[in-house]
Amino acid sequence: EIVLTQSPGTLSLSPGERATLSCRASQSVSSNYIAWYQQKPGQAPRLLISDASSRAPGIADRFSGSGSGTDFTLTISRLEPEDFAVYYCQQYGSSLPNIFGQGTKLEIK
Amino acid sequence: QVQLQESGPGLVKPSETLSLTCTVSGGSMSNNYWSWIRQPPGKGLEWIGYVYHSGASYYNPSLESRVSISVDTSKNQFSLNLRSVTAADTAVYFCARGGWSLGPWGRGTLVTVSS
Repeated sequence: EIVLTQSPGTLSLSPGERATLSCRASQSVSSNYIAWYQQKPGQAPRLLISDASSRAPGIADRFSGSGSGTDFTLTISRLEPEDFAVYYCQQYGSSLPNIFGQGTKLEIK
Repeated sequence: QVQLQESGPGLVKPSETLSLTCTVSGGSMSNNYWSWIRQPPGKGLEWIGYVYHSGASYYNPSLESRVSISVDTSKNQFSLNLRSVTAADTAVYFCARGGWSLGPWGRGTLVTVSS
């Protein structure tokens, strides 16, 4: 079973800055089947990115995903106040079960 | 726009069965997978399993011996049963569309296991 490790655990940045969140898999992820989710306190997660780099409908273009194999990145180009939240990566596909990373908390500096 | 809403008891006794229903509105359940995910208070996400509109299902091996997920497309609902619960099953339970990438999600419902 694949293990996903997200880093850093907490990222402290200011609005307007660039955020880079990492998700590393213990083994290669087939077909780059990685998704990214945003979760705000008291809310359900929201799908941002699927297939490592495809933005979900309605997601702002400041969010982008990249990577392949075992290393994946979520980048937020210019942070808006509403972007401060917890972000999870998820592996899916033929290598079930679906696995989530432990999350990165993006907080205001 | 598809929306999902979880419903069911907020309190379950140890050793009993946790039963939740997810009602889908604004779209058809056909040709889609439907998942359950849970999140213990203050912790991360755990995928429980999914059901296809046909009724075929797949479960997380860590829960497979205790879980079942079923679908009733005539009611636009799918359901979760988790047997023999303990305090470790206390969590917010979410339903979501999809078997792989997941979205949209319901708002979630807190289920507490306690006597």
